[in-house]
Amino acid sequence: QVHLVESGGGLVQPGGSLRLSCAASGFTFSDDYMSWIRQAPGKGLEWVSYIGDSGRSKYYADSVKGRFTISRDNTKNSLFLEMNNLRADDTAVYYCARERGTLYRYFESWGRGTLVTVSS
Amino acid sequence: SYVLTQPPSVSVAPGKTARITCGGNNIGSKSVHWYQQKPGQAPEVVIYYNNDRPSGIPERFSGSNSGNTATLTISRVEAGDEADYYCQVWDSSGIVIFGGGTKLTVL
Repeated sequence: QVHLVESGGGLVQPGGSLRLSCAASGFTFSDDYMSWIRQAPGKGLEWVSYIGDSGRSKYYADSVKGRFTISRDNTKNSLFLEMNNLRADDTAVYYCARERGTLYRYFESWGRGTLVTVSS
Repeated sequence: SYVLTQPPSVSVAPGKTARITCGGNNIGSKSVHWYQQKPGQAPEVVIYYNNDRPSGIPERFSGSNSGNTATLTISRVEAGDEADYYCQVWDSSGIVIFGGGTKLTVL
């Protein structure tokens, strides 16, 4: 059974940094693309970033480009999101998700999320 | 960038059919995925590639996609279907787009 567990969220001041982690189990992690998706309080879903199975391919939403960095460690079945220069509008629950399919993938499995609050 | 438009809310009586739309320019040429999110929970895929259902999702859930509108149809609606629903596509630049979400209320 696929299991994704996010960690690393918390309260951070504007301009600060945070590193999120996602521990994966129940599937061959190195075979799949992975994404981070966020949801601001009371708002809809916003895709943040994805990373290819080997880690070479990375894409970012314009809202985080240049500030966030996605990475993975296939030896430890782990996904990461390094977030720098955080702003109030980055406040959200951050989900990691397993992508499935070939072209135009969908998000088959999601973690429960970790809350990031950016406030002074 | 590509925009997906969903109605903020849809209401339906139990046992009736709910239709949730997702509008986008020539969306019929894209693959659409649908997610259900219940309060306090993570989203869950209910339809992928326009009309495929994951195992465990009832046959009451179906999807269609043509022209400028994709539709998620829920037949014989139950109280447990009350949730937020989101459509999702990939745009031409290789990024993911979500619709704004539709709150389904079962009367």
